[in-house]
Amino acid sequence: GIQVEQSPPDLILQEGANSTLRCNFSDSVNNLQWFHQNPWGQLINLFYIPSGTKQNGRLSATTVATERYSLLYISSSQTTDSGVYFCAVDKDFGNEKLTFGTGTRLTIIP
Amino acid sequence: DTGVSQDPRHKITKRGQNVTFRCDPISEHNRLYWYRQTLGQGPEFLTYFQNEAQLEKSRLLSDRFSAERPKGSFSTLEIQRTEQGDSAMYLCASSFGLGGETQYFGPGTRLLVL
Repeated sequence: GIQVEQSPPDLILQEGANSTLRCNFSDSVNNLQWFHQNPWGQLINLFYIPSGTKQNGRLSATTVATERYSLLYISSSQTTDSGVYFCAVDKDFGNEKLTFGTGTRLTIIP
Repeated sequence: DTGVSQDPRHKITKRGQNVTFRCDPISEHNRLYWYRQTLGQGPEFLTYFQNEAQLEKSRLLSDRFSAERPKGSFSTLEIQRTEQGDSAMYLCASSFGLGGETQYFGPGTRLLVL
C-alpha cells in the first residue's frame, strides 16, 4: 500500500514562531487532506489539497503532486495550534480509504 | 450542518463483552467510513459504505467486528467478544460524492477493554 511519512515527528516552538510541516507519499494520490487533532481527539479538517496551494488565515498548504510531497505552513503560532497534525492520502479514485501518516506533534509554548 | 456525531463518546467494558457504537453522518452524505486509532498512531481504515452498501473492509476488521448502515443513514460498529487489543479510539467520517472528496470526522468513541 501507499506509504505516508511526516516530518518532523515533534516540534516545540515559542508562540509567534512560524513552522513548516512536511508530508511525503510514495505514490500518486487522488486525495490529500491535512488535519489537526486537538487534545480531545477531534480531527479537524484543515485543507483538502491533492495539488496546488491553498491559504486559510495563518495556515497555508502546498502539494507538489509530481514530486509526491505536501507542506503545511503555520505562521505566527498560537498556543491553540498545539496538537498533532496529520497528513492523509487516498491513492485511487473510487478507492476511498485514507492512509494517514504518523503525524507531527506540535507544542507551542507561551 | 451539524457535523458527524458518535455515541457513546467513551466506553469501558470487560474482556469478552460485546459493544456497539453508533455514528450519525452529516445529513445527505452518501459515504460513511470507520477508522481505528491507537495511542501514538494515525487513524487506520476499517471499512466504508456508499449508501447502505459496504464496499470495502480492511484486513484489520476481524470476524469479531461487524458494521452496518441499514438505511444509508446512521451506521453501527459492533465488536463481539472484546479483547484488550481492541482498546482504541474508533472514528467515523462521512463525505458526499463519488470519490476523492473531503472526509469529515466525528469526535470518536474511546474504548477501553479491561
